[in-house]
Parts: sequence; C-alpha cells; structure tokens
Amino acid sequence: SQTIHQWPATLVQPVGSPLSLECTVEGTSNPNLYWYRQAAGRGLQLLFYSIGIDQISSEVPQNLSASRPQDRQFILSSKKLLLSDSGFYLCAWSVTREELFFGEGSRLTVL
Amino acid sequence: AQSVTQLDSQVPVFEEAPVELRCNYSSSVSVYLFWYVQYPNQGLQLLLKYLSGSTLVKGINGFEAEFNKSQTSFHLRKPSVHISDTAEYFCAVTLSGAGSYQLTFGKGTKLSVIP
Repeated sequence: SQTIHQWPATLVQPVGSPLSLECTVEGTSNPNLYWYRQAAGRGLQLLFYSIGIDQISSEVPQNLSASRPQDRQFILSSKKLLLSDSGFYLCAWSVTREELFFGEGSRLTVL
Repeated sequence: AQSVTQLDSQVPVFEEAPVELRCNYSSSVSVYLFWYVQYPNQGLQLLLKYLSGSTLVKGINGFEAEFNKSQTSFHLRKPSVHISDTAEYFCAVTLSGAGSYQLTFGKGTKLSVIP
C-alpha cells in the first residue's frame, strides 16, 4: 500500500535561518507531488506542485523553493525564513484526479 | 479558474443532532468535488467525492453530500453527529478534464460537537 512520510513534524526556527522540509512517498511510481501551506483562517494554499523529477511549478511568489531530486521525494526549502512563513505545511501526492493523499504535516514556527 | 466558498467558518452543534456544512463552487467547466476532514494537528483525509453519476454521494463516518449543479453547491450532511466528528472540514474542487491536476480548497469549516 502507498504511504507518505513528512518530517520534521514540528520546527521552531529564528527569522533569517534556513529551512528544509522533506516528504517521501512509498508504494507508487511517478506521483504528482504537492506542497500546501495552511495558515489560520486562510484554508489551504497551494505552494508548489510537481509532475516529475525537476518539473516543478510555483503557484505564488514567496520566500520558498521546492525541489524533487528523486521520483518520490519532494523538498521544501528557504534560505532565509520570514515571520510570515509560519504555518502548517502539508505534502500530498496523487496519481489520478480522484483523490489527493496528504502527509501528517509539519508545523513551522518562525520567531 | 475554479473557486470554492464555504459559507460558515464555525458550526457548533449538539451531539446526536443533524448537521449541514455548506459549500458552493464556481467553475465554467465540469468539475470533481470533494470533502476532506482534518483532525487537530493532522493531515487531511478524504470523506467523500463526486466524480459523476448519482448526485447523492455517501462517504465514511456516516457523512453524505449532494451535488446540485443548478445551485453549484455540494453541501455535506450527517443525520446525527458524535463528539468524534469535531474537526475542520474542507470542500475542494478540481477540473474534470485534461490538464494539470490541482485541487482548490475552501477556507474550511470548524465543526464543534457539544456534549
């Protein structure tokens, strides 16, 4: 069966520090991969999606970047965090339009 | 582009009472519709989905939703809620045709079940 792993689960970082959140999918090949951010009262905002290795689209201009070094690995990064980067980050995968599968999330607090 | 509006940000309801969470969407083409549930500090899991066919869709945990094309709505219902249904619920839409698969979410409705 397919599983998705996302880490770290929680992270507290100072402003200006770097960030790396990782996501790995098991049990499927060539999935579409997504990074969402969830801020209080704002629902889920799609940050990046990827249809293949090195094929990444950015949905909103921001302080973040994404990379897909392997078929089932998706990484969210920042060189210098801002206070506004705080939130709950969710990785997700799909192979059809019929369902999106989410990881457990990573809560980032920038101080 | 498609969009989703969840009309209520918070819905309190007593245990064993019925509940309806409202969702309206906007799209000029055919869509697929979804409801996801999120428990505190967890990811989202699929409750139910409408792809085609019968407009009444049944999901997990006793939830159901009805697709109404004329009113562009996809309201979620449960006849009798339990304490364990306390969570945040998200309505979502994606285009059913070709092209990249992107899910657009509403802002969520927090359901609080009162003992």
